[in-house]
Amino acid sequence: AQSVAQPEDQVKVAEGNPLTVKCTYSVSGNPYLFWYVQYPNRGLQFLLKYITGDNLVKGSYGFEAEFNKSQTSFHLKKPSALVSDSALYFCAVRDGGTGFQKLVFGTGTRLLVSP
Amino acid sequence: ETGVTQTPRHLVMGMTNKKSLKCEQHLGHNAMYWYKQSAKKPLELMFVYNFKEQTENNSVPSRFSPECPNSSHLFLHLHTLQPEDSALYLCASSQDGGGAGSDTQYFGPGTRLTVL
Repeated sequence: AQSVAQPEDQVKVAEGNPLTVKCTYSVSGNPYLFWYVQYPNRGLQFLLKYITGDNLVKGSYGFEAEFNKSQTSFHLKKPSALVSDSALYFCAVRDGGTGFQKLVFGTGTRLLVSP
Repeated sequence: ETGVTQTPRHLVMGMTNKKSLKCEQHLGHNAMYWYKQSAKKPLELMFVYNFKEQTENNSVPSRFSPECPNSSHLFLHLHTLQPEDSALYLCASSQDGGGAGSDTQYFGPGTRLTVL
């Protein structure tokens, strides 16, 4: 069964600094990886996904994520953080096997960007 | 906005009440999902509907009853809930509910449910 780990409950960065939110995964087949963001009192918003191809995936709002197969990681990054990036970030994985495969989410990482 | 709406946004109910949550998607998708989001826990998939047919029931108690009259609408009927059912209930939709790996789910804003 697939699983996702987000090892940090919270990440703090200063505005203008680069940010990284970590995610590692486990699947038996090829992984399909997703990042979502949740602002207060809102649902999850899709940021980006990795399916195949280039290991560096670019998404919404200047975010990008790097797929690393050997380290089974899919860390979310942004070169320069904004205060408005403060939110809850979820990594998710789906196994690329046949038949219905659940999208499995991590427990989330709260990003706090200080002015 | 993602094109997925949910009503009501907030709901407070007693354990003996019956209420329903509604979800509507305007994206032309074929699959719809119910998730439960509790504090400090991963999102829990509850139900999946693909082309109006329920394809997944993730061992959800019978006090939660889903209904999908068409591919655009999804309901979650609630009765005799427990306080531990208090959570944010999220609806999502995707193009292909068959579980194609690349299929992206789009979420509504959720209904914050409090059971007294």
